[in-house]
Amino acid sequence: AQRVTQPEKLLSVFKGAPVELKCNYSYSGSPELFWYVQYSRQRLQLLLRHISRESIKGFTADLNKGETSFHLKKPFAQEEDSAMYYCALSPQGGSEKLVFGKGTKLTVNP
Amino acid sequence: NAGVTQTPKFQVLKTGQSMTLQCAQDMNHEYMSWYRQDPGMGLRLIHYSVGAGITDQGEVPNGYNVSRSTTEDFPLRLLSAAPSQTSVYFCASSSGAFNQPQHFGDGTRLSIL
Repeated sequence: AQRVTQPEKLLSVFKGAPVELKCNYSYSGSPELFWYVQYSRQRLQLLLRHISRESIKGFTADLNKGETSFHLKKPFAQEEDSAMYYCALSPQGGSEKLVFGKGTKLTVNP
Repeated sequence: NAGVTQTPKFQVLKTGQSMTLQCAQDMNHEYMSWYRQDPGMGLRLIHYSVGAGITDQGEVPNGYNVSRSTTEDFPLRLLSAAPSQTSVYFCASSSGAFNQPQHFGDGTRLSIL
């Protein structure tokens, strides 16, 4: 079965420091990977997906099939990045349900 | 264009009571899903639907029923509320398959006493 692991429940960094939120997955095929974010008092929203290969709000994520990882990175964290981040996997084809990790709460301190 | 609308936002129930959480979307999305969010557990899929008249179970379906009579609406019913169902419930929709971006509602915070 597919599994998504986010090893850090909590992550705290200072403003301006680099940040990396880790995501590892278990799936034998070619998955599609996503990062969703939930800011305080806001609804969950898509941050980025690996097939887009784009940078959103300064965040990037590269799919590493060899290491089965999809880590989220930002070179200089901002206070407004404080949020709950979820990594999610969609099995190849998209017909099977989305699998979410347990989430990482990022706090960016001033 | 409201997107995904969930009602109510908050609800307190007594053990054994039943209720329906409403979810409506105005984007003509085929796929709709219900998740529950619990501390340390992430988002877990309860039920989902790939179109009107079609529903299926997710990871944690016990104690919940769904129906999909229209494309727009996907209500979640708690048959006999239990304290273990205290959670935040999110409805989501997407066009096409699960590998398309999910659009989430604001959530319903449900407490079972």
